[in-house]
Amino acid sequence: GENVEQHPSTLSVQEGDSAVIKCTYSDSASNYFPWYKQELGKGPQLIIDIRSNVGEKKDQRIAVTLNKTAKHFSLHITETQPEDSAVYFCAASSADKLIFGTGTRLQVFP
Amino acid sequence: KAGVTQTPRYLIKTRGQQVTLSCSPISGHRSVSWYQQTPGQGLQFLFEYFSETQRNKGNFPGRFSGRQFSNSRSEMNVSTLELGDSALYLCASSGHLNTEAFFGQGTRLTVV
Repeated sequence: GENVEQHPSTLSVQEGDSAVIKCTYSDSASNYFPWYKQELGKGPQLIIDIRSNVGEKKDQRIAVTLNKTAKHFSLHITETQPEDSAVYFCAASSADKLIFGTGTRLQVFP
Repeated sequence: KAGVTQTPRYLIKTRGQQVTLSCSPISGHRSVSWYQQTPGQGLQFLFEYFSETQRNKGNFPGRFSGRQFSNSRSEMNVSTLELGDSALYLCASSGHLNTEAFFGQGTRLTVV
């Protein structure tokens, strides 16, 4: 069935450094790739998304890249801050539903 | 614009009981999806409703069911609860297929 792999499962960085989370999807028909941030006790919050007709998208300190040929997409956070600490999920659309990665726990140390 | 509202926030039930969870989507959104979130399995897709019709279903047993009303509000029901059903149940609403999906805060279900 459809599958999304996400790495790493945990990531610790120093404040101000960059963080990169990578995902691989299996369904070549996927054309929508959102990223979510989930803080403790809250539901996932959409932070950025990209469609298959675009290779890169940026929003301030956050960027997402997509390589459709390799079926890879990545989240890049620059100048990390302690408030970026959370669990991040990637997802890929597949047959009317979103398939989620297993999540990355990002810790940003001051 | 109000966000996605899920009620109740917390629920404790006994094995064998049944439970109904409610989700009110963002005004104007017609698609509601349900997910089960557990530490071991991550976010697992349960089902998706659009205009009162179930369009898609995940790999969950028939004990898990749902419905959507004409005002787009959705409910999911779990019958004959098992300990393994303890999880955070999340619903997400979106306007159209493959557009932004916005999640509620979830209902934390504990089965004892």
